[in-house]
Amino acid sequence: KQEVTQIPAALSVPEGENLVLNCSFTDSAIYNLQWFRQDPGKGLTSLLLIQSSQREQTSGRLNASLDKSSGRSTLYIAASQPGDSATYLCAVRLGSDTGRRALTFGSGTRLQVQP
Amino acid sequence: KAGVTQTPRYLIKTRGQQVTLSCSPISGHRSVSWYQQTPGQGLQFLFEYFSETQRNKGNFPGRFSGRQFSNSRSEMNVSTLELGDSALYLCASSSEGRGNTIYFGEGSWLTVV
Repeated sequence: KQEVTQIPAALSVPEGENLVLNCSFTDSAIYNLQWFRQDPGKGLTSLLLIQSSQREQTSGRLNASLDKSSGRSTLYIAASQPGDSATYLCAVRLGSDTGRRALTFGSGTRLQVQP
Repeated sequence: KAGVTQTPRYLIKTRGQQVTLSCSPISGHRSVSWYQQTPGQGLQFLFEYFSETQRNKGNFPGRFSGRQFSNSRSEMNVSTLELGDSALYLCASSSEGRGNTIYFGEGSWLTVV
């Protein structure tokens, strides 16, 4: 059974810092991995999707990397801003066929960026 | 392009009642999945529908059911509500294909009293 772990559970940094959020998964035979952000009381906003054949994806100040062999992904946030404060979740999908499509989520990293 | 729309956003029900939640996916998306989010268990997969057929089901009791209509809109139903069913219910839609990013709605907050 796939298990996804995110470390740290919470993080507080001053504005402007670069930071790294970690995600690890137990079954390396993943189909893709997706990073989401969730603001309090809201749904999930997709940030980046990395296919199993890719090593990284970038969007603006965000960069996500994937190392399947070690079962790890990182989300790098450059020059953090107070507006980045949210919970960040990673989720993995095992396959595209029936029974393997469901996302397995980590418990998230709650990020607070201090102005 | 409109995102995933869920209704109602908030509702309060009494134990033993039943509830129906609705989800309209992004136009053109035929896959709709549902997740339950609670503080204790995090995000857990409920089920997925594609072209009106349930394609995958998570580990939830039979009180949780769903369906999908020909226009891809989906509903989920929870019967005989229990206090532990209080949660944020999230609907997600995606298109088929390799680069199939999953998009979530704002969720329906259910409180069972």
